[in-house]
Amino acid sequence: DSGVTQTPKHLITATGQRVTLRCSPRSGDLSVYWYQQSLDQGLQFLIQYYNGEERAKGNILERFSAQQFPDLHSELNLSSLELGDSALYFCASSVDRYYSGNTIYFGEGSWLTVV
Amino acid sequence: EDQVTQSPEALRLQEGESSSLNCSYTVSGLRGLFWYRQDPGKGPEFLFTLYSAGEEKEKERLKATLTKKESFLHITAPKPEDSATYLCAVQALRETSGSRLTFGEGTQLTVNP
Repeated sequence: DSGVTQTPKHLITATGQRVTLRCSPRSGDLSVYWYQQSLDQGLQFLIQYYNGEERAKGNILERFSAQQFPDLHSELNLSSLELGDSALYFCASSVDRYYSGNTIYFGEGSWLTVV
Repeated sequence: EDQVTQSPEALRLQEGESSSLNCSYTVSGLRGLFWYRQDPGKGPEFLFTLYSAGEEKEKERLKATLTKKESFLHITAPKPEDSATYLCAVQALRETSGSRLTFGEGTQLTVNP
């Protein structure tokens, strides 16, 4: 158990709908990351938040948005869903001490199936 | 742009047959190179972080090494429970990268009894 908690574990929804994925980081971790893993693309970085502020952005679609709340949990909102958005979405967290070690721990993921 | 290439894509070993997985990388300033193990449908499980060329780390049957251009994950006398996908990732020193990891496609390891 990495200590990173993600809900829901599984989600099936229709095209055009909107869903919210939730993540609680490990105790003491200030950074939260979101990754997408699909069969044909491997693990793709979406976005990083550090202590409530956006820190880095990857290939995140405009239909997707994220935020990190004062209690450090994070939500990833996916809207106008398409079949191609079906994937495993991982949240990860780290203490994020820059210029020193920064181990990133992953949650178990949220399986999203768009039908 | 940071790039990570892992080889081979898939590897089948007999129990006890040692081998190595390769991770070649390009990054403008390496902050750390990470190895993870991932079981099907599960989240990546952290194994090692290497920070500078020449560094080595060991954990049970696994040993990771790092040069300026590549990293190797050596598996000594593997067991069936070592079967998994092994992922390599780099973290860059660039401020604009934050602390993101750039992953390779992974090596799918199968160890037969």
